[in-house]
Amino acid sequence: EAGVTQSPTHLIKTRGQQATLRCSPISGHTSVYWYQQALGLGLQFLLWYDEGEERNRGNFPPRFSGRQFPNYSSELNVNALELEDSALYLCASGARAPTHSPLHFGNGTRLTVT
Amino acid sequence: KNEVEQSPQNLTAQEGEFITINCSYSVGISALHWLQQHPGGGIVSLFMLSSGKKKHGRLIATINIQEKHSSLHITASHPRDSAVYICAVRRNNNDMRFGAGTRLTVKP
Repeated sequence: EAGVTQSPTHLIKTRGQQATLRCSPISGHTSVYWYQQALGLGLQFLLWYDEGEERNRGNFPPRFSGRQFPNYSSELNVNALELEDSALYLCASGARAPTHSPLHFGNGTRLTVT
Repeated sequence: KNEVEQSPQNLTAQEGEFITINCSYSVGISALHWLQQHPGGGIVSLFMLSSGKKKHGRLIATINIQEKHSSLHITASHPRDSAVYICAVRRNNNDMRFGAGTRLTVKP
């Protein structure tokens, strides 16, 4: 069984550009979660998608957005990139909400904004 | 004050030692997760708990809902256990709050 896959592994952008990060959940999982881990900071919850809808978002500005596709894969878009957006972005998938299943994490996308 | 507090922040142990990492939280939760993050960022979910105790190999996790406290124990520690261990609580709205992590180094 394939795990959670994220792409790209690394992404370098300049300030003001847009970044798109992708995540494919484990087969059968309908929930996708996005997290940010900035240097020197802990993991922070960004977004939760389930069944194609945004169910909850963390304390991030609207330029962080995303979507979930019919096949349950997900995109995270970060507009108007700022230097402090440089971080490791992790995606996790879980079984259908509200079942609180264990989470399975991808290896992350390391975004560098210069 | 952080909603999820972990201790210790850093821990160095000799191979074979028994290790305990603690997590206290201040919010209502539906579940608590223990995560292991290796250098490079990859994260593995070790346990998900809503009550009691779980064991997997040399790892044991306990939770006391009344006291809002959880512990992760590693028996017979090994250098390959060296990683950052993160406590995360899942709130009822399914968002997550994370502890700052405990950096464990096990020396041979």
